[in-house]
Amino acid sequence: GAVVSQHPSWVICKSGTSVKIECRSLDFQATTMFWYRQFPKQSLMLMATSNEGSKATYEQGVEKDKFLINHASLTLSTLTVTSAHPEDSSFYICSASGDRGDASPLHFGNGTRLTVT
Amino acid sequence: GQNIDQPTEMTATEGAIVQINCTYQTSGFNGLFWYQQHAGEAPTFLSYNVLDGLEEKGRFSSFLSRSKGYSYLLLKELQMKDSASYLCAVKNSNYQLIWGAGTKLIIKP
Repeated sequence: GAVVSQHPSWVICKSGTSVKIECRSLDFQATTMFWYRQFPKQSLMLMATSNEGSKATYEQGVEKDKFLINHASLTLSTLTVTSAHPEDSSFYICSASGDRGDASPLHFGNGTRLTVT
Repeated sequence: GQNIDQPTEMTATEGAIVQINCTYQTSGFNGLFWYQQHAGEAPTFLSYNVLDGLEEKGRFSSFLSRSKGYSYLLLKELQMKDSASYLCAVKNSNYQLIWGAGTKLIIKP
């Protein structure tokens, strides 16, 4: 089946530093990738949708200058949390879809647990 | 607006059957998905319904009624490892995936 690899699985960083999270589709071309954030005991919150070769579409309330998304190829999208603060500590999950019109399910990466000290 | 409703938490006994309901109101419909998410892990795909009726896959079944905006996930022969959150999600007419808040299922011996 389709596999999405996300790296790193966990990261601890100091306040003010930047962290980059990678999301790769290993055996299919991901036209669209989604970035989610999930706080403890809460549901998934969509942060942004990225399409290969174009700018990401951010959800309301998500700062695009703080959460930089790059989708440079059909197999790789990155999320960079810039100038991280403790309130950015969360579980970040990427997912990928082969076609925005495809009714097939999203395939999720294993998530990245970010802790900002 | 668009929303998906599912119970916050349910409790069931090992070996029993449990049904998790999901109702939705979205702008259009292009399929309904059920995902399982264990604590601290990413969601994993369970089932997909786009036509009315029941889809069975092993111990798990999912039902859809588009006219009622309603689905349920049926879990049989419950095992302790089934303790997890179950997320209902609907693709609307723009192929955006709208997520429910999830139902935390607690299995007791």
